[in-house]
Amino acid sequence: GQQVMQIPQYQHVQEGEDFTTYCNSSTTLSNIQWYKQRPGGHPVFLIQLVKSGEVKKQKRLTFQFGEAKKNSSLHITATQTTDVGTYFCAGPRAGNNRKLIWGLGTSLAVNP
Amino acid sequence: DSGVTQTPKHLITATGQRVTLRCSPRSGDLSVYWYQQSLDQGLQFLIQYYNGEERAKGNILERFSAQQFPDLHSELNLSSLELGDSALYFCASSVGGGGNYGYTFGSGTRLTVV
Repeated sequence: GQQVMQIPQYQHVQEGEDFTTYCNSSTTLSNIQWYKQRPGGHPVFLIQLVKSGEVKKQKRLTFQFGEAKKNSSLHITATQTTDVGTYFCAGPRAGNNRKLIWGLGTSLAVNP
Repeated sequence: DSGVTQTPKHLITATGQRVTLRCSPRSGDLSVYWYQQSLDQGLQFLIQYYNGEERAKGNILERFSAQQFPDLHSELNLSSLELGDSALYFCASSVGGGGNYGYTFGSGTRLTVV
């Protein structure tokens, strides 16, 4: 079936280190969305990428959508304790926009 | 406050019982989605409604049902509850249907079945 894999599942970093999570889909996606869920919180929409090869930045966060629209990455520069949480990617399969296919998330812990 | 309101925030009930979770979408959003999240698990899509009509179904059990009312609020009914149904249930909304728009999530209902 359609799958979106996220790696790594968990990541521990020291504050100030960089962090990257990768999202790989078995099928071409129409777009890729990223969400952040803080511990005890709810998922919060961060960004949507639509175009092949698109790169977007939000302060220390850099999002990329692959050329084939099957993979994506989220890179955080110089992590802070406020970055702690689980990062999910999700996207609808190209040609079937009715459902988002979700990754299982990458949980980030940041040691101060 | 995300604009999506879910009630109640917490619910404790016994096995075999039935509960109703309520969701009011963000103003202007026509789509409502229901998700289940078990401890340290990902988001399991249950069902989607768009402007009152069922649009897509995920891994929703037959014991679960949902509807969206004319005022666009939605209810998720869970019956014959089992211990394994204990989870966080999120409602999300978006302006359009499907996956072309970012979702706004509510703060969730934590269901504990004892």
